[in-house]
Amino acid sequence: SQQGEEDPQALSIQEGENATMNCSYKTSINNLQWYRQNSGRGLVHLILIRSNEREKHSGRLRVTLDTSKKSSSLLITASRAADTASYFCATGGQNFVFGPGTRLSVLP
Amino acid sequence: GAGVSQTPSNKVTEKGKYVELRCDPISGHTALYWYRQSLGQGPEFLIYFQGTGAADDSGLPNDRFFAVRPEGSVSTLKIQRTERGDSAMYLCASSQGGTSGSYNEQFFGPGTRLTVL
Repeated sequence: SQQGEEDPQALSIQEGENATMNCSYKTSINNLQWYRQNSGRGLVHLILIRSNEREKHSGRLRVTLDTSKKSSSLLITASRAADTASYFCATGGQNFVFGPGTRLSVLP
Repeated sequence: GAGVSQTPSNKVTEKGKYVELRCDPISGHTALYWYRQSLGQGPEFLIYFQGTGAADDSGLPNDRFFAVRPEGSVSTLKIQRTERGDSAMYLCASSQGGTSGSYNEQFFGPGTRLTVL
């Protein structure tokens, strides 16, 4: 079974709104990473958060990590239509374990 | 510089045929990974190479699947006696590599979409 589980499975918002996606995992981790995948394309690395970090920012992205709850969240602020994609969390040292992803639709 | 490339981008084959999928990693990356992704799902790990050797092949679903990386650069994923259930997007990724447990960002290729009729 997969380590990471994102929720919601699908999210639809208006341009300019914030989008929050959550990820839960089952075992201890060294780090957790978020990836984006546009339809039919490869994955793009967004951000990594280490197990000793609680929050990390990158541009309009904000990631939090709660190791006591084995969960992480990805917040995209001021969303744009171009943010429409699937978002995955991944854990693991070498062979990543991905969740099923959250499909985000940002409507213009 | 050039990213990870995969060829072909699309492959249609008939049940029972043999296929090869190729991955060209980023130059200098010692680690290479293969994943399989079904529609609506996240990528599923297949195999990981460190240099020329398969460091972890625990994700290969059965002995019809095999991968090589003879010179520590280009890798080929080989599928024998293809079945309809093998239809998926096959993704390759590479990273700088390192010791077990260390972080290395994985750079993904665009994938090969395999369809078995």
